[in-house]
Amino acid sequence: EPEVTQTPSHQVTQMGQEVILRCVPISNHLYFYWYRQILGQKVEFLVSFYNNEISEKSEIFDDQFSVERPDGSNFTLKIRSTKLEDSAMYFCARRDRVQETQYFGPGTRLLVL
Amino acid sequence: AQSVAQPEDQVNVAEGNPLTVKCTYSVSGNPYLFWYVQYPNRGLQFLLKYITGDNLVKGSYGFEAEFNKSQTSFHLKKPSALVSDSALYFCAVRAKTGFQKLVFGTGTRLLVSP
Repeated sequence: EPEVTQTPSHQVTQMGQEVILRCVPISNHLYFYWYRQILGQKVEFLVSFYNNEISEKSEIFDDQFSVERPDGSNFTLKIRSTKLEDSAMYFCARRDRVQETQYFGPGTRLLVL
Repeated sequence: AQSVAQPEDQVNVAEGNPLTVKCTYSVSGNPYLFWYVQYPNRGLQFLLKYITGDNLVKGSYGFEAEFNKSQTSFHLKKPSALVSDSALYFCAVRAKTGFQKLVFGTGTRLLVSP
């Protein structure tokens, strides 16, 4: 199964700066997800996005976070004002209409200094 | 609320021996269950899933898992381990209805020695 690509693979930013993480689906899927994995910890759900709307979000996904699909292709996660604790690996995942499996991208490693 | 427990932080096995990575879950209603593998500095790679049907599901790279509803378990197994199987393994669950999010366990590091 084709997965998704994510850019950048690594990003280093200063605390308080905005970052945008991008997810590029290989084919036209409707369901997208963002998860994060803080170093050495488990993978945590952030938000799900269906038909260009947020369908579910976790308590982690506060007002500092937003998602959108601005050009109908790329799916972005924006963190408006990064904190040290936002340092993590961020994974995008996609699911098609029929399959229940979520396929993950390679991740973006974000380091906030 | 959904939850997954992977009771072992690490499993050590010799190459050629069978391996088992344990997972138990808690979810309202019937579950969808998944196993993913993560190699160093890589993303999560799908291994196998249980949706419905046969309790024994077969997946990639010779892995299989058995769904046991009475014990709420979904242990990952392989008859003969390879050194290249060494990686971090995650079990995940979601409910069949309602929210789609996957809830992951804490992961089990599998170390296969030559």
